[in-house]
Amino acid sequence: EAQVTQNPRYLITVTGKKLTVTCSQNMNHEYMSWYRQDPGLGLRQIYYSMNVEVTDKGDVPEGYKVSRKEKRNFPLILESPSPNQTSLYFCASSYGTGGAVASPLHFGNGTRLTVT
Amino acid sequence: AQKVTQAQTEISVVEKEDVTLDCVYETRDTTYYLFWYKQPPSGELVFLIRRNSFDEQNEISGRYSWNFQKSTSSFNFTITASQVVDSAVYFCARPGSQGNLIFGKGTKLSVKP
Repeated sequence: EAQVTQNPRYLITVTGKKLTVTCSQNMNHEYMSWYRQDPGLGLRQIYYSMNVEVTDKGDVPEGYKVSRKEKRNFPLILESPSPNQTSLYFCASSYGTGGAVASPLHFGNGTRLTVT
Repeated sequence: AQKVTQAQTEISVVEKEDVTLDCVYETRDTTYYLFWYKQPPSGELVFLIRRNSFDEQNEISGRYSWNFQKSTSSFNFTITASQVVDSAVYFCARPGSQGNLIFGKGTKLSVKP
């Protein structure tokens, strides 16, 4: 089944403890990205990648890192999480390098992160 | 910023009623895509439809239909004979310059039995 898989679904951590949220897609998509969803602020893009070894900042990149060493994986790294990073996170992928300009974004099931 | 506006924050209907979710967009592009996504209570984001700006024909998929009108910059979504399982937040969206999606604030639809 074609899908975007995020892990974990739920994560509770403490301030400053490094964490990684994994994202993997099995559709051979070039474009991948991360979003966070917050009440009143909606969905905002954190980072995106148009292809392997190519990553760029989105609208809210502060406090996050990403890497794209393989086409299928696009992990989101929080080196020193803070409470303001408590949010619902989504990974997404799409065919081609243009992202949503060229084809629909397909989203993972989300990761609900709580930082205390 | 080229916004997507969903003026209806919440809508509540009784099962079997028809309901229309409004979406108004801004764009300077001559050709563009528009999208609708569904976010059920379980939280995932589900792709529903993508439409191209040069195709203004209405789209129908089962109980779902979409009305795209460039003259009013609107891309409205109608659910016919709504069901409880349609209860969700629905997002209208358009592409941004980074390949991202610019989402509206969403409309929360509650369908009561």
